[in-house]
Amino acid sequence: AQSVTQLDSQVPVFEEAPVELRCNYSSSVSVYLFWYVQYPNQGLQLLLKYLSGSTLVKGINGFEAEFNKSQTSFHLRKPSVHISDTAEYFCAVSDYSGGGADGLTFGKGTHLIIQP
Amino acid sequence: DADVTQTPRNRITKTGKRIMLECSQTKGHDRMYWYRQDPGLGLRLIYYSFDVKDINKGEISDGYSVSRQAQAKFSLSLESAIPNQTALYFCATSDPDRVGEQYFGPGTRLTVT
Repeated sequence: AQSVTQLDSQVPVFEEAPVELRCNYSSSVSVYLFWYVQYPNQGLQLLLKYLSGSTLVKGINGFEAEFNKSQTSFHLRKPSVHISDTAEYFCAVSDYSGGGADGLTFGKGTHLIIQP
Repeated sequence: DADVTQTPRNRITKTGKRIMLECSQTKGHDRMYWYRQDPGLGLRLIYYSFDVKDINKGEISDGYSVSRQAQAKFSLSLESAIPNQTALYFCATSDPDRVGEQYFGPGTRLTVT
């Protein structure tokens, strides 16, 4: 079984400042890692994913994340945020052997609040 | 048109009532999922299905049942709703060629009074 910990339930940031949203995971097997974003009153959409290879992955809207196996982390970063980035961000994992077929295990979410 | 649709979008019901939430998709995916979202708890998997004859329980299936009527339709039922089933419910699909990526519907907000 896997678990995901998002250490911050809320992160307030000023517009155009950098941001990092933290995610740590626990698993006895290899996993795939994902970040999803939920804008107000919408479903979730994929920001980026790590399957294998380069540990730095780039996603949509200028976001990137770095996989760190030794620290079991997959932190999300953006160098300069905009008001439109205000949303709930979810880190998720899936079992490597299942290929994600059995659904995703989500963290509790981090609410990113952009202040003008 | 949206690829994954859910009906109703909002529903208020009373304790003990039976209610069905419906999900339809036009993405042609075999895999479909039901999650519930609670504030501060993230999303938790209720049921998932790989095809019409293959249905599996997720982390929190107690109190719920599902029906996969066709490749494109996956319904979630609460046989006797209780207040702690008040939540936001999401349907999702996935493509086995795109590992782990899921496509979510807009959600159904269910309130049980």
